[in-house]
Amino acid sequence: GNSVTQMEGPVTLSEEAFLTINCTYTATGYPSLFWYVQYPGEGLQLLLKATKADDKGSNKGFEATYRKETTSFHLEKGSVQVSDSAVYFCALSDHISNSGYALNFGKGTSLLVTP
Amino acid sequence: EAGVTQFPSHSVIEKGQTVTLRCDPISGHDNLYWYRRVMGKEIKFLLHFVKESKQDESGMPNNRFLAERTGGTYSTLKVQPAELEDSGVYFCASSHKEGPGQNNSPLHFGNGTRLTVT
Repeated sequence: GNSVTQMEGPVTLSEEAFLTINCTYTATGYPSLFWYVQYPGEGLQLLLKATKADDKGSNKGFEATYRKETTSFHLEKGSVQVSDSAVYFCALSDHISNSGYALNFGKGTSLLVTP
Repeated sequence: EAGVTQFPSHSVIEKGQTVTLRCDPISGHDNLYWYRRVMGKEIKFLLHFVKESKQDESGMPNNRFLAERTGGTYSTLKVQPAELEDSGVYFCASSHKEGPGQNNSPLHFGNGTRLTVT
């Protein structure tokens, strides 16, 4: 089945540093790709998504580009803030039934941003 | 609008006991999903309801797990009897249309239930 692999954490950065969290995928067909974020004590929230090759998803200063040639969807942010400390999950949509889809997640990458 | 709510937020039980987790999806969302994250591992799909019907339960780990969605509103996930390896965070999500890959049908997640089996 389809799957994603993301870099292991934890990642610790100083405020205003550049962030990259790598994510690669294995898929048949052309899944949609997502980044979800889980802030402490909260549920998963959709951060951004891309539904086809070369699409760029962006939100809150984060961005990721759907790269079919390298099967990647790396998350980047130019200048992180303390409030970005959270766990980030890469995910793709996977067909699970005649009419249904589900998300396949990576293991999550914990990010800690220090002042 | 109220989000997806899950109850309880935490549960600590002994091996062999029974636990029931509850999920209230966003009102009007026909699609309801259960996921689980075991410590240090991926968030795994468990099953998918469309209204009260189980659309796919291929991710359910074994027959100790039983999910229901009577009336197509809230859902429960019962673990009986619980084992140590069932510890983890159980997430519920709902969406209006089927498929997180489709436009305008994002998954809305609850805060999860952290289950600890001792």
